[in-house]
Amino acid sequence: GQNIDQPTEMTATEGAIVQINCTYQTSGFNGLFWYQQHAGEAPTFLSYNVLDGLEEKGRFSSFLSRSKGYSYLLLKELQMKDSASYLCAALDSNYQLIWGAGTKLIIKP
Amino acid sequence: EADIYQTPRYLVIGTGKKITLECSQTMGHDKMYWYQQDPGMELHLIHYSYGVNSTEKGDLSSESTVSRIRTEHFPLTLESARPSHTSQYLCASSESAGETDTQYFGPGTRLTVL
Repeated sequence: GQNIDQPTEMTATEGAIVQINCTYQTSGFNGLFWYQQHAGEAPTFLSYNVLDGLEEKGRFSSFLSRSKGYSYLLLKELQMKDSASYLCAALDSNYQLIWGAGTKLIIKP
Repeated sequence: EADIYQTPRYLVIGTGKKITLECSQTMGHDKMYWYQQDPGMELHLIHYSYGVNSTEKGDLSSESTVSRIRTEHFPLTLESARPSHTSQYLCASSESAGETDTQYFGPGTRLTVL
């Protein structure tokens, strides 16, 4: 079956760095997405990786290893507004998006 | 960034009522989706469409129906609402394959059935 695994919850300190991991098992693979979702709001797109390696976008970076079925989202210089859930989703061979349950990130002052 | 709209944003109705949740996008995206999400829980795909006159059921068994008569419009209908339908309903759209398959979400409709 198809599956996405990511931690349920993580806690980090304002100004620090946090890495949110995601492992996936899909029928075929056409890319890996990360979304941010604040409580009570809709998800918003953060990043897309289809090739191995690190993609950097400001304070956020996303990494992909296709051979390991593994990705991570790296958040630097954490701010209180980064408190949210982070959703990992993989695109399978039929271009169906398989969603993880999300990682709730709590930022403490 | 896609422009995608949902109405109403909040709805409280009684059991047995028929309701339609509206979703429209102005990006000309071919693909549209409906998700159901309870607070703090994962997204569940209930319906999707790859274009006009195309609709498919998603992973989550749903008592709702959808239609896609126009590219920009993808309404979701519940014929007879029940308390178990209480949830947030999110509509999304995407262009095509690859990075342009990025899904953009509307603000959601929070439905409460009494």
